[in-house]
Amino acid sequence: EAQVTQNPRYLITVTGKKLTVTCSQNMNHEYMSWYRQDPGLGLRQIYYSMNVEVTDKGDVPEGYKVSRKEKRNFPLILELPSPNQTSLYFCASSGQSYNSPLHFGNGTRLTVT
Amino acid sequence: EDQVTQSPEALRLQEGESSSLNCSYTVSGLRGLFWYRQDPGKGPEFLFTLYSAGEEKEKERLKATLTKKESFLHITAPKPEDSATYLCAVQVRGSNYKLTFGKGTLLTVNP
Repeated sequence: EAQVTQNPRYLITVTGKKLTVTCSQNMNHEYMSWYRQDPGLGLRQIYYSMNVEVTDKGDVPEGYKVSRKEKRNFPLILELPSPNQTSLYFCASSGQSYNSPLHFGNGTRLTVT
Repeated sequence: EDQVTQSPEALRLQEGESSSLNCSYTVSGLRGLFWYRQDPGKGPEFLFTLYSAGEEKEKERLKATLTKKESFLHITAPKPEDSATYLCAVQVRGSNYKLTFGKGTLLTVNP
């Protein structure tokens, strides 16, 4: 089954404790992206990657890092999590065509205390 | 700045009561307009892409239309299983494949 898989689904951590949210897709997609979803603000892009070793900032990149060492994986790294990063995070992927829609994972709910 | 505004924020319908959701947009150059459905605890699920004014697409009880300023998602004779948040997003020329989303319309269909 074609899918985008994120782990973990739920994560509670404390300020300053480094964490990684993993994302993997099995559709051989070149393009991958991370979004965060907050009440009243909707979905906003954090980082994206056009292909292996090619990443760039989205609209809200502060406090986040990403890497793209393999085509299928696109982890999101929070080196010093803060409470304002408490949010619902989605990874998404698509083929590199403007006719190709984004496919989303089922989300990671992060709470930073 | 690219903007996407969805209305209403929430809509409650009786089963079988048809209605429409609105998505108005202001962008520098539209490449495509996307509709997604999001169920609680799940990621957005792709429904439609529209590319040019006058275009229409249908899927079961849903029909999406596009003008130069807005898109409508028409729901005909909805059923309780159509209850979800419906998200509209635009993709702009010259951007990466980024989607700029509206805040969504929460649709509840009562039996």
